[in-house]
Amino acid sequence: NAGVMQNPRHLVRRRGQEARLRCSPMKGHSHVYWYRQLPEEGLKFMVYLQKENIIDESGMPKERFSAEFPKEGPSILRIQQVVRGDSAAYFCASSKGQGDYEQYFGPGTRLTVT
Amino acid sequence: GDSVTQMEGPVTLSEEAFLTINCTYTATGYPSLFWYVQYPGEGLQLLLKATKADDKGSNKGFEATYRKETTSFHLEKGSVQVSDSAVYFCALRATDSWGKLQFGAGTQVVVTP
Repeated sequence: NAGVMQNPRHLVRRRGQEARLRCSPMKGHSHVYWYRQLPEEGLKFMVYLQKENIIDESGMPKERFSAEFPKEGPSILRIQQVVRGDSAAYFCASSKGQGDYEQYFGPGTRLTVT
Repeated sequence: GDSVTQMEGPVTLSEEAFLTINCTYTATGYPSLFWYVQYPGEGLQLLLKATKADDKGSNKGFEATYRKETTSFHLEKGSVQVSDSAVYFCALRATDSWGKLQFGAGTQVVVTP
């Protein structure tokens, strides 16, 4: 039973380019969470999605960031016009349901903006 | 707002030593509390959890008790192994949250033979 998959594992972008991070949840999971880990900091919540719906985006920056979880295919976190401050590890987690259902984390995507 | 504070690392121990990692939280109501562990190059794994006051979570020799009176959820293990070397994160889910977790900064633990 495959775990949460994220790709790419490492992504290098120049300032101003777009970054697309993909997350495939565990089989049977329809809830996806995105977290960001800046250097020397803990994980910060960004967004929570169910299939085709954004449930909580209280941690998403107002500009340049967007997320989707379509009916078919992986969840995508998209960062437009990246800046150096976007360099971080981005983790995706999935769960069977809301609340205290266990969140299973992927290995993360490390984004470096040059 | 809600927050989690945990002791800074790195914490360096010898094998078979006793491990304690302090975690305190600020939140309204009765949040659920979690400990996650992250091994190098991997994602976070749930280690244990407690969903109400005085609950004790336990797994793989690790324990933590939800103390409402001191707003704490300290992680303990009686005898650590080299394989316990990792980064440990304390987290909470607020009462009114759909599932969003708030994490502490993490504590790196290094166990030497």
